[in-house]
Amino acid sequence: GAVVSQHPSRVICKSGTSVKIECRSLDFQATTMFWYRQFPKQSLMLMATSNEGSKATYEQGVEKDKFLINHASLTLSTLTVTSAHPEDSSFYICSASSGGSGNIQYFGAGTRLSVL
Amino acid sequence: RKEVEQDPGPFNVPEGATVAFNCTYSNSASQSFFWYRQDCRKEPKLLMSVYSSGNEDGRFTAQLNRASQYISLLIRDSKLSDSATYLCALSSGGSYIPTFGRGTSLIVHP
Repeated sequence: GAVVSQHPSRVICKSGTSVKIECRSLDFQATTMFWYRQFPKQSLMLMATSNEGSKATYEQGVEKDKFLINHASLTLSTLTVTSAHPEDSSFYICSASSGGSGNIQYFGAGTRLSVL
Repeated sequence: RKEVEQDPGPFNVPEGATVAFNCTYSNSASQSFFWYRQDCRKEPKLLMSVYSSGNEDGRFTAQLNRASQYISLLIRDSKLSDSATYLCALSSGGSYIPTFGRGTSLIVHP
């Protein structure tokens, strides 16, 4: 299957700092990538859809000024959590579709963010 | 009714047992269906797509019931390594943005 690389896998930071997470599609071009957040024992919640060369589409309730998304190329999308606070602590996962039949999502390994 | 619903479990079964999960959905326009497996603190990984006619992959069988709007996953001869959370996902029409259920936890014990 397609490979999506995400890093860092783990971040521990102080409140108020910004954290950047990278998501790369390694063996295919992804015009669209997705960013999810997952709290313990909860489902994946879509935060935003990242479109190459254009602005991201944010889901209702997700602050676009807090979660900055940049999709600079067909293989790279970044999510920056600005001025992180303890309530932002979560598991952030990106995914991309290879564009084949069906809408199979290939996920990055996720980033576990802990804000102290 | 939530868009995608799953019984969170946990389903606690002995090795060798057969176990089945269902996932109900509310959008009748849903067209693509999947089962993902997620291990603790890991990303979801595609287990199998779900086809209208049903499909089987080794010990795993997935089925779609459009009339009752649910998909199912059957695991035969459970292994300890099957212990994980199983997420259903679906998307509709031209959208390729999937909606995930919260997952069903499976624990297979010796």
